[in-house]
Amino acid sequence: KQEVTQIPAALSVPEGENLVLNCSFTDSAIYNLQWFRQDPGKGLTSLLLIQSSQREQTSGRLNASLDKSSGRSTLYIAASQPGDSATYLCAVRYGGSQGNLIFGKGTKLSVKP
Amino acid sequence: NAGVMQNPRHLVRRRGQEARLRCSPMKGHSHVYWYRQLPEEGLKFMVYLQKENIIDESGMPKERFSAEFPKEGPSILRIQQVVRGDSAAYFCASSAGAGEQFFGPGTRLTVL
Repeated sequence: KQEVTQIPAALSVPEGENLVLNCSFTDSAIYNLQWFRQDPGKGLTSLLLIQSSQREQTSGRLNASLDKSSGRSTLYIAASQPGDSATYLCAVRYGGSQGNLIFGKGTKLSVKP
Repeated sequence: NAGVMQNPRHLVRRRGQEARLRCSPMKGHSHVYWYRQLPEEGLKFMVYLQKENIIDESGMPKERFSAEFPKEGPSILRIQQVVRGDSAAYFCASSAGAGEQFFGPGTRLTVL
């Protein structure tokens, strides 16, 4: 069964800290992996997309890495800010006719001023 | 280029009524996906459609739920005879082929 797990479920850090969010997936034959941000009561904002052939992607203070062989991805957030407080979701897409994303349950991040 | 649009944003129905949720994909996108987020749970895939075709409906409940993506107009997710357990946020996403999926703001369905 294809599953995505995110650890930790919740994280609280003081402003300015660098932090790492973890995502693991059971089937390493992925097509791509996306990281999203979801604010309370809102939709999903795509942060980074990593294709299966890539090792990492960067956008501003965010860096996502992918290790297919170990079934893991990490999202690194540098110099965290209160505005980064949100739930971060990892989602995996497999190939073929399976166009859908399989989501983890997310990590709820709180950055304290 | 407007993003993925969903309407209504909030929908209240009484048990037994029908709910119709609409999704307009981003311009140029012909792939639409519906996901459901139950309270305190992760997003779960429901159905994947391309214009006029259902590609994968493996996540769709067998009864009361249906989806379409006609040649013209938005994609529609239809829930007949709603029950309280259908209360959830329903998200639509679109993509151009196998690329990045972009999500709409969601429709929050409340069944009284």
